[in-house]
Parts: sequence; structure tokens; C-alpha cells
Amino acid sequence: DIQMTQSPSSLSASVGDSVTVTCQARQGINNYLNWYQHKPGKAPKLLIYGASNLKTGVPSRFSGSGSGTDFTLTISTLQPEDIATYYCQQYHNLPYTFGQGTKLEIK
Amino acid sequence: QVQLQESGPGLVKPSETLSLTCTVSGGSVSPHYWTWIRRPPGKGLEWIGYIYFTGSTNYNPSLKSRVTISIDTSKNHFSLTLNSVTAADTAMYYCARGGGTPDYWGQGTPVTVSS
Repeated sequence: DIQMTQSPSSLSASVGDSVTVTCQARQGINNYLNWYQHKPGKAPKLLIYGASNLKTGVPSRFSGSGSGTDFTLTISTLQPEDIATYYCQQYHNLPYTFGQGTKLEIK
Repeated sequence: QVQLQESGPGLVKPSETLSLTCTVSGGSVSPHYWTWIRRPPGKGLEWIGYIYFTGSTNYNPSLKSRVTISIDTSKNHFSLTLNSVTAADTAMYYCARGGGTPDYWGQGTPVTVSS
């Protein structure tokens, strides 16, 4: 299985800040990487697919980059509604695997 | 917009079978892949497996001997069966549309394995 390591595991930032979450794959996965946002009690939401493609309807303050083993999710101007846990997921190899999650809080 | 809703017992006894159904509304199960994912308490997300609308499946090897995913196109739903459950199978279970890139998810249903 391809292990996905996210950092940090938790993050506290202020409204308006730029926030970056990183995800590292144990082996190269090209750009087969998704990012999800999960708010408590709600369905997880796909934000970015293929490492850098923004899903239709997702605010443009979210962006993704990277290829191979190292990836980042950036929120350019943090909003209060961005409080959530964020997960990366690789789909290069079966079984598909997720990072352990990054819990984002507002200061 | 596509919506998914998981349903099934919230409590299962050890060694028994966990059965969940995901009902799809706002769209057809054809011609898509459909996935089950779970999140044990205090842990990250675990991919369980997926099924194509034709019925072909792929499972996580860690669960392969115990898991079955099936689909009923006439009822527009798909199901998860997990045999011989233990406390380690206690989790929030999610269904989702898509194979490698699940784009719509249900809100999840909690399942506790306990006597």
C-alpha cells in the first residue's frame, strides 16, 4: 500500500491568512492525488482532483500543486467556513489510500 | 444534484455480519463506479472497495476475505456486506460515487461492533 503522510496534523490560523497543508507519498504517484474537505456531521467534499484541478463550484481560494511524491493544498485567504479536516488521497495504486488528515482551526 | 444516503443497523454483534445500503438519488447508478470508505474512531479514512455499475468489483486486500459490495440498478442502490466483524470494524461508514476520485459522498452512518 502507498502510505500518504500529511503535515501538520493540526493547524490554527487567522481569517485572511494563507494556509498550506502538505502531503507526501511514499512512492511516486504522478499527479493521481485528490484533496477533500470534511466538516463534522457532513459529507466529505472533493476540492481538488488530479493534484491541481479545482472541482467546479469550489472557491478559487483553494489550490493544489505537486507531482510525484510531494503535494500541497493552499487556502489563499482563510475564511471562517474553511474550518474542517482536510485529507489527501492517492489513486495511482490500489488499494487507494488517504492521509491521516489535517484539522484546521481558526485562531 | 446527486445525493447518497447510507442506511443500516448502527449496532452489530461481534462475529456477525454488517450490512449497509447506499441509496442514490438525483442520478442513476449507471454508468458509474461506487465506493465504500470508512473512518474508525480516532483514525483516518480507509478505502474499502468499489463496484462498477456492471457489477465488477475491487476490494482492499486487508478486507478482501470478508467484504462484498453489490449493486442493484433497478433500485438505484448499492450495498456493503462485511462478515465476521470485530471491534476493529467499528467506524463511520461512507458511500460515494466514483472509483479513484469519489466526487459525491454520503454523510456517513456510524456502526458499532459490540455485544
